[in-house]
Order: sequence, then structure tokens, then C-alpha cells
Amino acid sequence: AQSVTQLDSQVPVFEEAPVELRCNYSSSVSVYLFWYVQYPNQGLQLLLKYLSGSTLVESINGFEAEFNKSQTSFHLRKPSVHISDTAEYFCAVREVGAGGTSYGKLTFGQGTILTVHP
Amino acid sequence: DSGVTQTPKHLITATGQRVTLRCSPRSGDLSVYWYQQSLDQGLQFLIQYYNGEERAKGNILERFSAQQFPDLHSELNLSSLELGDSALYFCASSVRTSGGAELFFGEGSRLTVL
Repeated sequence: AQSVTQLDSQVPVFEEAPVELRCNYSSSVSVYLFWYVQYPNQGLQLLLKYLSGSTLVESINGFEAEFNKSQTSFHLRKPSVHISDTAEYFCAVREVGAGGTSYGKLTFGQGTILTVHP
Repeated sequence: DSGVTQTPKHLITATGQRVTLRCSPRSGDLSVYWYQQSLDQGLQFLIQYYNGEERAKGNILERFSAQQFPDLHSELNLSSLELGDSALYFCASSVRTSGGAELFFGEGSRLTVL
């Protein structure tokens, strides 16, 4: 069974500073990887995902994540954060079954609360 | 707005009671997922349906049950409620279960058991 570990429960940073939110996963098969973001009092929204191909994926608002198979990691980074990036971020994994068919279950990490201070 | 509608948004009830949470997926989405979010357990997968059939089961208690109806809306039934069942329950939907299908989440139903 797959599992996800987010190494930091809270990450405080100042505005315009770089940030990295760490995520490691465990699975015996190939996986798809996702980052979701949850703003206060809202549901989760997809930020970016890795399915195949280039190991570096980017979101429209400046976040990027790199899939590292040897280290089973999918860390999320942003070179310069804004106050509006304050939210909780969830890393998630979905296993790829035989023949490329996913079983559908998306397993989330415990979440990392990113707080951006002025 | 994700297009996923959950009702009620807030619910306060007593131990031993039964409640039903409702979810309407995005138009065209066939798959519905239920998650429980609490401070101590994080975001836990409960159950998934695809076009009316159960496809995957997670850490769902026997006191909980769910179904997806022919019109694709889903209901999560929680019975014999305990204090520990207090949590935010999310419904999500996706067009399919395979590959990198994005899950679209509702805003959740906050259940408080007193």
C-alpha cells in the first residue's frame, strides 16, 4: 500500500523568500504524484501533478515540484512567496496498476501549513 | 467554485445519533470519493464510487456507509455517532478513476458531535 510523509507540519517564511515543502512517498509500484492546496475554509484544489515524462512540473502560480524516483520524493518549491500563498499544502500519491490503470485511491500526506509573513 | 456541492455545510448532533451527508459531483463526473479530515488523523480516504459501484475502500468504520445513486449524487451515512467522529467530511469527484485524473473537492461538511 502506498503512503505519503510530509516532513514539516508547519513552515513559516517571510514574503519574497524561497520555500520548499518536503514530501516523500512509499509504494511498491509506479505512482502518480500530486500537490493540492487548501485555503482557509475551502476545499482542496489541485496545484500540480506528475504523471510521466519530465520530472520537473510547474503550476500556473509559480510553484514547481521535482519527482526524484531514487529518493522517492516530490518536494514542492517556490523561489519567492507571497502573502496569498498562505495555505495548507497536501502531497498525494496514486498507484498505477497493471496496464497503466489506476485503482483510483488517492492517498494524502498529513499536510504542511505554509504561513507567509510580511 | 469546484462544481462539487456538499450539504449540509455544518451539522451539530449528539452521540448515538445518525446523520446523512450529501454530495453532488461536478456535471459529467462519474467518480465520487469521500474523505474525513481531522486534526489528529489528517485527510483520510473513506470510500470511492464509480458510476454507482463501489471501487475502493479505505479506513471507513462499519458504522459508516455510503452509496452513489443513479443520478450520480452520493450520500455518506454516519450512525451511532461518537465524539471522535467530529471532523470535516469532504466529497470529491473526478471524470474517471484512471491516470492523473484530477479530484475536484467540495467545501466540506463540518460535523460536530456533542
